Amino acid sequence: QVQLQESGPGLVKPSQTLSLTCTVSGGSISSGGYYWSWIRQHPGKGLEWIGYIYYSGSTYYNPSLKSRVTISVDTSKNQFSLKLSSVTAADTAVYYCARVDSSGYMPRYFDYWGQGTLVTVSS
Amino acid sequence: SYVLTQPPSVSVAPGQTARITCGGNNIGSKSVHWYQQKPGQAPVLVVYDDSDRPSGIPERFSGSNSGNTATLTISRVEAGDEADYYCQVWDSSSDHLHVVFGGGTKLTVL
Repeated sequence: QVQLQESGPGLVKPSQTLSLTCTVSGGSISSGGYYWSWIRQHPGKGLEWIGYIYYSGSTYYNPSLKSRVTISVDTSKNQFSLKLSSVTAADTAVYYCARVDSSGYMPRYFDYWGQGTLVTVSS
Repeated sequence: SYVLTQPPSVSVAPGQTARITCGGNNIGSKSVHWYQQKPGQAPVLVVYDDSDRPSGIPERFSGSNSGNTATLTISRVEAGDEADYYCQVWDSSSDHLHVVFGGGTKLTVL
């Protein structure tokens, strides 16, 4: 059974960089066939996709966040990470990591999710 | 950009059938996936590729997709089905491949 677990600071100051890590267990990121993604949810709101990465390092980002987002992968630790720069209060949200099933190289659906971690941007 | 439209809320009595729609331009040409999210929990995939169910999801959950509307149908609704439901597709317009989520529908079991 694949499990994902987010970790990182729960409080980030405005203008700083939000950094989160997702640790994957029960499966190898390097095995291929899946993408690894970050999604966030503002308090009381819907889901917003941030981006995803393949184990090779290829990335796709939400165009609305692309200028501030970096997603990276560390296959030796079976982890992938999110960095979001120049944060403001509008970046306060629950951040989820998730696995994306794929068909060939086409992403499909999010089949496993982490429990989510609340990140608050405040001074 | 591609937009998915869901009704904000749907109410149904226990034992009845709930239908949650997801509207999008020619959505029938895309694969639609549905997620259930209960308060304080992560979303759970309940239907993928329009109408397939992951293992462990009851047969009461089904989906369809045609034209400009995809529908998640929950038969014999139970109190435990009360949750927010989100539809999701991938869109490749604007030379970007990206995820689109619907705004979510809150299912209330009366």
